[in-house]
This record gives sequence, C-alpha cells and structure tokens, in this order.
Amino acid sequence: ETGVTQTPRHLVMGMTNKKSLKCEQHLGHNAMYWYKQSAKKPLELMFVYNFKEQTENNSVPSRFSPECPNSSHLFLHLHTLQPEDSALYLCASSQGTSGDEQYFGPGTRLTVT
Amino acid sequence: AQSVTQPDIHITVSEGASLELRCNYSYGATPYLFWYVQSPGQGLQLLLKYFSGDTLVQGIKGFEAEFKRSQSSFNLRKPSVHWSDAAEYFCAAQSGGSYIPTFGRGTSLIVHP
Repeated sequence: ETGVTQTPRHLVMGMTNKKSLKCEQHLGHNAMYWYKQSAKKPLELMFVYNFKEQTENNSVPSRFSPECPNSSHLFLHLHTLQPEDSALYLCASSQGTSGDEQYFGPGTRLTVT
Repeated sequence: AQSVTQPDIHITVSEGASLELRCNYSYGATPYLFWYVQSPGQGLQLLLKYFSGDTLVQGIKGFEAEFKRSQSSFNLRKPSVHWSDAAEYFCAAQSGGSYIPTFGRGTSLIVHP
C-alpha cells in the first residue's frame, strides 16, 4: 500500500450504531487530519494530530471521537450520529512543518439513516 | 481573519478552450499557496504550490498558476482543457509557521465536448 488509505470506503449506519473509520498513511508523515466534506459546503477541518498529539479540535460534537495511536494511524469513532452527519470524511497527512502540502486519502462516504 | 476566496462556484468550458480559475487570499503576510484537484469520489491531489521566487508556478497535468502580490491572487490556468480535467478545484493557503491550511470553497469545472 502506498500513500494514504481509508477504510471502509462506504458506510451506512443507523443513528444508534457505533462504528469507526480508519486511516493509514505510508508516507512517514508526522501530522494527520480529519476533514468533513458535505455537499454544497466548504471543506471542514475537524481534528489535527501532530506527533500523535491532538493540536486542533474545531468545535466538533462529542459524537465524533478521534484516536491517533501512532503517527501512521488515525481513527474516527462514531456514535449516536445524526442524519446531517452524512458526508464524505477525508483523512490527510503531511510532514507537519510549515508550508507542507497535504496528501489525502480517497475518503469514506458515510450515510446515517 | 485569514481567508481564501474562490469567487466562482462553477465554471463551464469547452474541451480545448483555455481555463482560468480565480483565487484570492486575505493574510497579513504572503502565505504559502496551493491548488488541489478532486475528481469525483476521490480525495484531493496537489496540483502545484507557491512558496517564493518565480511568480509563475508549473504543476502537474499541464496546469500553472500565477502569484500576484498586488492583487492577493493566485489564479490557476491551463491553455487547453481536456474532458478529464472535469473536477473540483480547491485553492488553499498556509501562513508562515503553520502546517494547517485554509481551503477555499472550491470551483467545480465542467467540460463540454
């Protein structure tokens, strides 16, 4: 595997379910990011980790819980979601230094029913 | 506040025609500037980036962008568009010392045969 991978690619869950999204980067990067991309809305930064430490939490509801066990893996744990949480969830990574570009995974298309 | 503006939500061009996508930024000092492309169902991919020096930057897939300090702009251009260029294009900026970008809302490019 190369680059940034995300699993699953598609997920349908009920409002009472608990599920997790997984992201893995094979680039040796130090920073990892979760973004939410909804139709007709700008890309929303959710969480940022640098060297496994959370450095950004953009007022994300507690029903989204990130986890970064090491610099290569990032999870997004989901519970008691709402239909408006349906979106494409993108993971990205970068070196974590000034001016670095980001490398994105293909995303997980989440549908909450 | 720092911001990135892409004034055009949609752009429609004919295949073979030239293309210019606009991007303006509002930062205290010149930021690092990026253009990303997102094909349907995929993550974002870096097209090009500007740090300093030559104001005309060459990227992948035949794209180029010109930095104009006086206009706080970083417009993306391509001399001849191909049908495969149909995608969403995002401009992004990062201030010096930051590794977290601010993205514009994106411009959707539609290519007519």
